[in-house]
This record gives sequence, structure tokens and C-alpha cells, in this order.
Amino acid sequence: GAVVSQHPSRVICKSGTSVKIECRSLDFQATTMFWYRQFPKQSLMLMATSNEGSKATYEQGVEKDKFLINHASLTLSTLTVTSAHPEDSSFYICSAYKGVETQYFGPGTRLLVL
Amino acid sequence: AQRVTQPEKLLSVFKGAPVELKCNYSYSGSPELFWYVQYSRQRLQLLLRHISRESIKGFTADLNKGETSFHLKKPFAQEEDSAMYYCALTGFQKLVFGTGTRLLVSP
Repeated sequence: GAVVSQHPSRVICKSGTSVKIECRSLDFQATTMFWYRQFPKQSLMLMATSNEGSKATYEQGVEKDKFLINHASLTLSTLTVTSAHPEDSSFYICSAYKGVETQYFGPGTRLLVL
Repeated sequence: AQRVTQPEKLLSVFKGAPVELKCNYSYSGSPELFWYVQYSRQRLQLLLRHISRESIKGFTADLNKGETSFHLKKPFAQEEDSAMYYCALTGFQKLVFGTGTRLLVSP
């Protein structure tokens, strides 16, 4: 199978602080990972495409300086929410691309900014 | 523009009843369509994809290019089918999701 993990599963932080979320592909290498955001009772919205060894590609309307993405290895991508504010509170989900148009999803990270 | 529409937020049926979760899409090329499922407290997982033409857990979905639809069907719903179902299409590796339909199967 293909397993993708995320850490932490839940994080609470104060407004103005930065939060780092890790996404790991545990049993396969992923040159491409994706970061999604999901609001309550809404669909997943793609935020950015993370490419190993190169800059991430952000979707329209997503601030790249706000959501820093680093894909330093074939099994790890990180999303850092900088200077978090309450409106950044959401459920962040990553996925790893294993080829043939197949993505495997992480369990998600719930961020609450106070 | 790429878009996936799932008109029903909630579909409630009794066990043993047929189920059809609707999905319509708009895409300028030849899309690949998927159905993803999210069971309670579990991660999103692939249920089936149109190019596989397979039946997973009794579910099937046929791509109708004329109607730009990819409805998910199951002849006899089971309680364990209760979950959130997302229709999605892909282009250049990116997935575009519909808003999802919650299926509730009652005993």
C-alpha cells in the first residue's frame, strides 16, 4: 500500500506565531505532493503543488509568503503557516502523488489559531 | 475552467435501497474522473476511477461524456457505505474536487 502521514494531527497556537506541518510518504517516494485546505462542511481546495527540489506552485489567491512550502526530499514536504491568524484556522491535508494520476492522502492537520 | 458539481449535500437512504450520487463536470480536454470516499474519522481514499472500469465495494461509475457526468451507483446500499463521497477530476496531476455528498444509510 501507500501511506502518507502528517504531523502534527492537531495544533493550537497563538495569533502571530508560525506553525509547521509535515507531510511524509512512508513507503514510496513522491516527487510531487499537494497541500489542500478544507473548511468545515466544504470541499478540499488545492493550495499548492510541492515539487521536490524546486519551488512550489501556488494556486490563485494563495499567498506564497503566508504559506511556505518546502519539499526537501522525496518523502517529506512541509507547510509553514507564517504569522498565523484566526482566519487561518482550518483543516490542512496533504497528498503524495504516486503516478498514474493517483494521489494518496494524509490524515490531515487541524489548526486552530487563537 | 475545470469544475466538478455535486448537487446533493446529503443523500439519505435505507439499507438495501439503490443509491446514485450525482456528479457533473466541466473540462476542456479529456478528463480523468475519480470518486473518493471519506469514512468517519478516516482519511480520504480513492474509491474508483473511470479508466479502471471496475466495481469497488459494489459501487460503479460510468463516464458519460455527452452529459458530462460521472454518477456513482450502487444497487443495494449497506450501512457501512455511510460516508462522505467526493467526485474529482484531474488534469496535469492536480485534483479538482466537488463539494461532496454525505451518504447516510439507515438500517
